[in-house]
Amino acid sequence: DTAVSQTPKYLVTQMGNDKSIKCEQNLGHDTMYWYKQDSKKFLKIMFSYNNKELIINETVPNRFSPKSPDKAHLNLHINSLELGDSAVYFCASSHKGGGELQQETQYFGPGTRLLVL
Amino acid sequence: AQSVTQLGSHVSVSEGALVLLRCNYSSSVPPYLFWYVQYPNQGLQLLLKYTSAATLVKGINGFEAEFKKSETSFHLTKPSAHMSDAAEYFCAVTPNFGNEKLTFGTGTRLTIIP
Repeated sequence: DTAVSQTPKYLVTQMGNDKSIKCEQNLGHDTMYWYKQDSKKFLKIMFSYNNKELIINETVPNRFSPKSPDKAHLNLHINSLELGDSAVYFCASSHKGGGELQQETQYFGPGTRLLVL
Repeated sequence: AQSVTQLGSHVSVSEGALVLLRCNYSSSVPPYLFWYVQYPNQGLQLLLKYTSAATLVKGINGFEAEFKKSETSFHLTKPSAHMSDAAEYFCAVTPNFGNEKLTFGTGTRLTIIP
């Protein structure tokens, strides 16, 4: 069984379109994340949700809007796609654990390769 | 703030030779440190992690890393490289007080020479 899954795996679209990427985890984790990996393989966090609440929101254009309908899902909607949005988007999840001293491992999905033409 | 620096964006070693991938961190608080591996067209897989227990950490596939506070380093090693080790390797850091943000290095591409 896939622990963290993303759909679609590949997404090719035109500039200006709106698209969504879905993420689901079956690990029982309470925290989920979106990362962006650019063409130089640099990985940077975009958002993090804990128990459906937004806890990390890096400097990301407001065209990107995450939505967490429940703890097992974190979707990413992108409006008015631009060429620079072309990248691989990774979803991840972790369990925050007991107390503030816990930092659990983040498990990553297979990635969604977005190409904006 | 935390950051990691991976020295060498590309490393090539012969099959059977020692693998050494370098990672230095900067952190204003005690860190947790991670090594992830990314095989071509795949997601990231955790190799090993340091969470303030033993300074020598053993991971999967024969990899290990040693946390050296005096050198602010967390280098990844494997005694004998295998062709299947060819991949991109990422070092990452996070504060140890529950901040969920992982900060990644720029990655090191490991090539294995037959």
